[in-house]
Amino acid sequence: ILNVEQSPQSLHVQEGDSTNFTCSFPSSNFYALHWYRWETAKSPKALFVMTLNGDEKKKGRISATLNTKEGYSYLYIKGSQPEDSATYLCAPYTSWNQGGKLIFGQGTELSVKP
Amino acid sequence: EAEVAQSPRYKITEKSQAVAFWCDPISGHATLYWYRQILGQGPELLVQFQDESVVDDSQLPKDRFSAERLKGVDSTLKIQPAELGDSAMYLCASSFAPGSNRDTQYFGPGTRLTVL
Repeated sequence: ILNVEQSPQSLHVQEGDSTNFTCSFPSSNFYALHWYRWETAKSPKALFVMTLNGDEKKKGRISATLNTKEGYSYLYIKGSQPEDSATYLCAPYTSWNQGGKLIFGQGTELSVKP
Repeated sequence: EAEVAQSPRYKITEKSQAVAFWCDPISGHATLYWYRQILGQGPELLVQFQDESVVDDSQLPKDRFSAERLKGVDSTLKIQPAELGDSAMYLCASSFAPGSNRDTQYFGPGTRLTVL
């Protein structure tokens, strides 16, 4: 089964700082990578789905890149705001039992202080 | 925006008791997933339904866990008897296009289970 690693496990930054974190996954049999954002006491929400090597996605101040050949994805947040505080989960899609499923990393917990 | 509903949000029980969680997916979503997230780990898929049929329950501890989706809409996950190690967040998700690696899953807020 896939081993998905996210780093760092937690990050504390000041408002206005830019930050980035990493998701590492095996590069073989890659299909797609999903990023989710999970605020405390709320539902995890989808941020991006990425499939192609070199893919770059952007939503407001948040962007992500994908390298399928070396098996990693970066998530960037420009000018962090307190409302960006959340756990960010990545999940590659893997073939499983004649179908497929998402394998989640343990997440990066971001805390942005005003 | 349509959301996945889950209840209860929090459940405290004693070991050896039975617990049940309920999930109502987004209308029109044929695929429903139950995940378990243990503190410090990522969510792990327990069971996946396509309509009322189980597609994957390979990670479901079947000696104590059961899941059903009788009419292909809402779903119940049961644990009997609960053990201390079952303390976790139980998340339900649904999706529209099964079998697609791009298919976005929409999550509910989860049920936080504490077993004493």
